[in-house]
Amino acid sequence: AQKVTQAQTEISVVEKEDVTLDCVYETRDTTYYLFWYKQPPSGELVFLIRRNSFDEQNEISGRYSWNFQKSTSSFNFTITASQVVDSAVYFCALSEAQVDNDMRFGAGTRLTVKP
Amino acid sequence: DGGITQSPKYLFRKEGQNVTLSCEQNLNHDAMYWYRQDPGQGLRLIYYSQIVNDFQKGDIAEGYSVSREKKESFPLTVTSAQKNPTAFYLCASSMAGGLYNEQFFGPGTRLTVL
Repeated sequence: AQKVTQAQTEISVVEKEDVTLDCVYETRDTTYYLFWYKQPPSGELVFLIRRNSFDEQNEISGRYSWNFQKSTSSFNFTITASQVVDSAVYFCALSEAQVDNDMRFGAGTRLTVKP
Repeated sequence: DGGITQSPKYLFRKEGQNVTLSCEQNLNHDAMYWYRQDPGQGLRLIYYSQIVNDFQKGDIAEGYSVSREKKESFPLTVTSAQKNPTAFYLCASSMAGGLYNEQFFGPGTRLTVL
């Protein structure tokens, strides 16, 4: 069964620090998709990125970057120069192409950025 | 503005009662989803629908029911058979079916059973 582990329950940093959120996944499928979502205090999840299993290129979007490594089954998310507005719960998720009725979310990492 | 609306934001129900959570989208998305979120946990998929008049069970469908009579609407009924219904419920949609697509989420409904 597919599984997503976010070992960091809570992280607290001071503004302008860099922070990396870890995500480790398990799957038997060769085709799968990985996601990161942000859940601010308002509650609704905001999509950040999707990566398919055939694309291991790292991605950078402004202060956000993602490091996908199939060899270690990890899809880590780094925020550079963190800001108070980055405070939220971040979820990593996995969807397998062959299992069309499930999307597995990690338990989430609560990031607090202090001014 | 395009988006997903969920109502009500907070819902209280007595034990043994059925309750229906509303989800509406004006994004013209084909697929819609319902998730449950418990404190300190990730989201778990309850039901999803790829097209009108069709829906599939997710990981934790027991005690829930859905309908998809219109493209824009995907209401979720929490029945009395659901043993522990107190949770935060999130509705989402995506352009096409398949859980590998980017999903857009509503603001959620927090259900409390008294």
